[in-house]
Amino acid sequence: AIWMTQSPSLLSASTGDRVTISCRLSQGVGSYLAWYQQKPGKAPEILIYAASTLQSGVPSRFSGSGSGTDFTLTISSLQSEDFATYYCQQYYNFPYTFGQGTKLEIK
Amino acid sequence: EVQLVESGGGLVQPGGSLRLSCAASGYTFSSYAMSWVRQAPGKGLEWVSAISGRGSSTYYADSVEGRFTISRDDSKNTLFLQMNSLRAEDTAVYYCAKRIEDRGYSHFDSWGQGTLVTVSS
Repeated sequence: AIWMTQSPSLLSASTGDRVTISCRLSQGVGSYLAWYQQKPGKAPEILIYAASTLQSGVPSRFSGSGSGTDFTLTISSLQSEDFATYYCQQYYNFPYTFGQGTKLEIK
Repeated sequence: EVQLVESGGGLVQPGGSLRLSCAASGYTFSSYAMSWVRQAPGKGLEWVSAISGRGSSTYYADSVEGRFTISRDDSKNTLFLQMNSLRAEDTAVYYCAKRIEDRGYSHFDSWGQGTLVTVSS
């Protein structure tokens, strides 16, 4: 299985900040990576797929980059509704795997 | 509008069985692969199992291989997860998720609200 390491696990930031979350994989997956946002008590929601393609309806302040083993999710200017937990997931092969999550909290 | 509604969760003793269902609506169910993803209390997401459109292929996480069986009834627009030999570590909210492909890249574009499975004596 492909192992995924997200960092940081916890990120404290303020509204308006620019933040980045990293996802590193144990082997290359090309661009077969997606990012999800999850709020407490809710199902995850897709933000980005194919490493950098923004899902329809997702605000443009979210962006993704990277390929192979190193990927980044960037939020350019945090809004109050962005405080949540973020997960990366690889679709390169089975078993699909998720990163352990990054909780973004208000500083 | 796509809707996925899970059911069948509950309290079960270790070693017991449970069958989860996911009723889909708002799209052509048979055309899309589906997955189950779970989340233990306070923990992250764990992919559990996947089935191709029309059910010709199935895939499992090592942690459930041989104990869980994924299936689908396209005539009833319903996805299933038969869970046998349940363990305490299977306690989680179980989500069904619809997989979509765009230019060969897939992701889960729709999720159900989840159903809680608790394995405890």
